[in-house]
Amino acid sequence: EAGVTQFPSHSVIEKGQTVTLRCDPISGHDNLYWYRRVMGKEIKFLLHFVKESKQDESGMPNNRFLAERTGGTYSTLKVQPAELEDSGVYFCASSPPGIGIGANVLTFGAGSRLTVL
Amino acid sequence: DQQVKQNSPSLSVQEGRISILNCDYTNSMFDYFLWYKKYPAEGPTFLISISSIKDKNEDGRFTVFLNKSAKHLSLHIVPSQPGDSAVYFCAASDWGAGNMLTFGGGTRLMVKP
Repeated sequence: EAGVTQFPSHSVIEKGQTVTLRCDPISGHDNLYWYRRVMGKEIKFLLHFVKESKQDESGMPNNRFLAERTGGTYSTLKVQPAELEDSGVYFCASSPPGIGIGANVLTFGAGSRLTVL
Repeated sequence: DQQVKQNSPSLSVQEGRISILNCDYTNSMFDYFLWYKKYPAEGPTFLISISSIKDKNEDGRFTVFLNKSAKHLSLHIVPSQPGDSAVYFCAASDWGAGNMLTFGGGTRLMVKP
């Protein structure tokens, strides 16, 4: 079974440019999450999709970040325009449908490292 | 206002000995707790979990203990192996609020041969 796949693994851009990160969750996982780890600190929640709907986007830093999940399959996270403080590792995770045990065990991708110069 | 804290950024243990990683939380609504392990350049990997109705869960060399009154949990690894060297993250969730996990800052475990 394929795991959670993220692309690109590393992106280096200049301040003001745009970057789009992609996540392919495990097939059949309705729940999809984006997290971010900055400067080796804690892994922080950004948002949660259930299928194509945004269930919780309380962790999104500001309106420069836009996440989509068209058709309830893969998801993209766009940062436009990127700022220096956006640098970090962006993790995508997915979990089975529902709420509670099982759905709480998230499977993470390897992450997309974003460096903004 | 970190709700989940891992106060030890690093821990060094001799192979074969016990590793004890600690985690404290402040949100009394948390009712499910997980430990993830992370190797460099990889995503976090689920290790073990415990619900708030239990105080202990064991899986092979890994045991998680939960002390609800103290809002504290710990992960015990016995015996520790060099392959256990990684960053360990404690995470918590409130089922009533959905599946979002709140993570601690991680503890880097180094197991020396």
